[in-house]
Amino acid sequence: SQQGEEDPQALSIQEGENATMNCSYKTSINNLQWYRQNSGRGLVHLILIRSNEREKHSGRLRVTLDTSKKSSSLLITASRAADTASYFCAPRRTGGGNKLTFGTGTQLKVEL
Amino acid sequence: EAQVTQNPRYLITVTGKKLTVTCSQNMNHEYMSWYRQDPGLGLRQIYYSMNVEVTDKGDVPEGYKVSRKEKRNFPLILESPSPNQTSLYFCASKQEEANEKLFFGSGTQLSVL
Repeated sequence: SQQGEEDPQALSIQEGENATMNCSYKTSINNLQWYRQNSGRGLVHLILIRSNEREKHSGRLRVTLDTSKKSSSLLITASRAADTASYFCAPRRTGGGNKLTFGTGTQLKVEL
Repeated sequence: EAQVTQNPRYLITVTGKKLTVTCSQNMNHEYMSWYRQDPGLGLRQIYYSMNVEVTDKGDVPEGYKVSRKEKRNFPLILESPSPNQTSLYFCASKQEEANEKLFFGSGTQLSVL
């Protein structure tokens, strides 16, 4: 099944630094969503980028999408300890209907 | 408050004892889905439902049943649980349109002994 693969698997940074995580996928997509999961809790939607968009911002989040490379990146600027979480990308495959699949995520740790 | 409510939050049971995990949403969403999350495997979809009385298999449906008799409820049924169904389960819902975001419940940690 189509799912994004997040990279790196784990990332540890200091508070105030920027965090970048990447997502690769295999087939054409309608859109790609990013979600955050605090330890053991439900995923929370962060941002959606459509296939005809290249960049999108939401607060300290910046998402880019390169459909030619089948990849996306999520940048969190000026990270905070509260950003510590796992981050998942979910590409919505063209013709895949409502199916949304998730990978194993990037585990981000922001240290004080 | 818009939310997806799962119950129970934690459940310990024994092999073969039927159980049901409930899921309810108050957003009038057409689409509902169940996922399980296991270390190293990410989230995998078990079943989903596009609307009342419409359900379909996800990637790992074996050993599970679902029903959608009402729009707001989508229970997950394990008729005869086995230890390999020990996992963290999430219910999610969204509007029917494909571009809409998913809303997740808080999760049910199930242990089958």
